Amino acid sequence: TQLLEQSPQFLSIQEGENLTVYCNSSSVFSSLQWYRQEPGEGPVLLVTVVTGGEVKKLKRLTFQFGDARKDSSLHITAAQPGDTGLYLCAGASGSGNTGKLIFGQGTTLQVKP
Amino acid sequence: DTAVSQTPKYLVTQMGNDKSIKCEQNLGHDTMYWYKQDSKKFLKIMFSYNNKELIINETVPNRFSPKSPDKAHLNLHINSLELGDSAVYFCASSQGGNGYTFGSGTRLTVV
Repeated sequence: TQLLEQSPQFLSIQEGENLTVYCNSSSVFSSLQWYRQEPGEGPVLLVTVVTGGEVKKLKRLTFQFGDARKDSSLHITAAQPGDTGLYLCAGASGSGNTGKLIFGQGTTLQVKP
Repeated sequence: DTAVSQTPKYLVTQMGNDKSIKCEQNLGHDTMYWYKQDSKKFLKIMFSYNNKELIINETVPNRFSPKSPDKAHLNLHINSLELGDSAVYFCASSQGGNGYTFGSGTRLTVV
């Protein structure tokens, strides 16, 4: 069974601080996706990383895929209250239209003004 | 335009009842999914359909029956509802397994 361990589960920080969320597995994934979910809504895709060692930036968010494609991290610089939400990593298992996403447990981030 | 829309948003029902959740996507994606999110926010796949064909059935009780009349629709029918079925159910779609687009969820409460 493929599992994704996401840490930390909860994070409460002050505006302006930096943070990193980790997503680890013993399995290799074809891609790793990060989502953000707000209360009462579905997850929204932030980024997909495909190549081992790949780094992608989305404004103050930096995503990295591990060299072995088993782990990933999300780093947020100078967090803002608007970054508050549930962050989910998801590994793509299988290929193309016959695959599925396996989700981590999620990280609930609260950024206080 | 809502890309993936599911109805109803909230569903409160008694144990033993039968209920359906509907999902439609206007993205032209080939694959649609049902995911269940528990009280701890953990998302787990239930079913996936590719062009109306069942691809994944993740050890879900037989009381759950998905139906895909065409590739833009994937409905979920649940028979004999149990307390443990209470959760948020998300419909999603993707093309080639790339980034999924999720609906806004249906919060099912069984009393």
